[in-house]
Amino acid sequence: QSVLTQPPSASGTPGQRVTISCSGRSSNIGNNYVYWYQQLPGTAPKLLIFSNNQRPSGVPDRFSGSKSGTSASLAISGLRSEDEADYYCAAWDDSLSSVVFGGGTKLTVL
Amino acid sequence: QITLKESGPTLVKPTQTLTLTCTFSGFSLSTSGVAVGWIRQPPGKALEWLALVFWDDDKRYSSSLKSRLTITKDTSKNQVVLTMTNMDPVDTATYYCARSKQYGDHYDFWGQGTLVTVSS
Repeated sequence: QSVLTQPPSASGTPGQRVTISCSGRSSNIGNNYVYWYQQLPGTAPKLLIFSNNQRPSGVPDRFSGSKSGTSASLAISGLRSEDEADYYCAAWDDSLSSVVFGGGTKLTVL
Repeated sequence: QITLKESGPTLVKPTQTLTLTCTFSGFSLSTSGVAVGWIRQPPGKALEWLALVFWDDDKRYSSSLKSRLTITKDTSKNQVVLTMTNMDPVDTATYYCARSKQYGDHYDFWGQGTLVTVSS
């Protein structure tokens, strides 16, 4: 049981916009930054969004993050086949004094 | 160019102690704010954060695994070592080490991961 809650799956067709939610509590998302990672099949995770809504260099602006209260969302616009991957949210948890991850969302591009 | 690479046994027996080494290059663990962490992923399952060590030797551990984990750094060798005691088959996973540029709460560079299987 992960501390942060994500839907197990999401899907969309090429060109569509999809969103993935991440729900937590005040001790993690509510008081700290949210991060998003993309994990392509068979590879290590890659930092996709940092500090709620910032993109590292090289990440397309099709990817965007937002946060409101104890929830966060990752949006992917102009969906492409290469976006098919697992997506994880993460945050620091003040109560646990540790990083916590969501259970991951498997994105399928139909 | 920043790289990290995990090394250690691929197979351990139940009750044994696992020792994993993360060897990195392209950054220094003596730079203010920098940290190296360990994250694992059982086959087909989610990421689980384990531990991290900061540039100043401050350390943090997963609350659920704290009693079994020890993380140390050797700045001169550019290495971070994670030990996990009393291994169990449920600890079978790919273990990743990763760098955090600041605060230890997110990781911008990751190793390729190493699969550790726990079986008798």
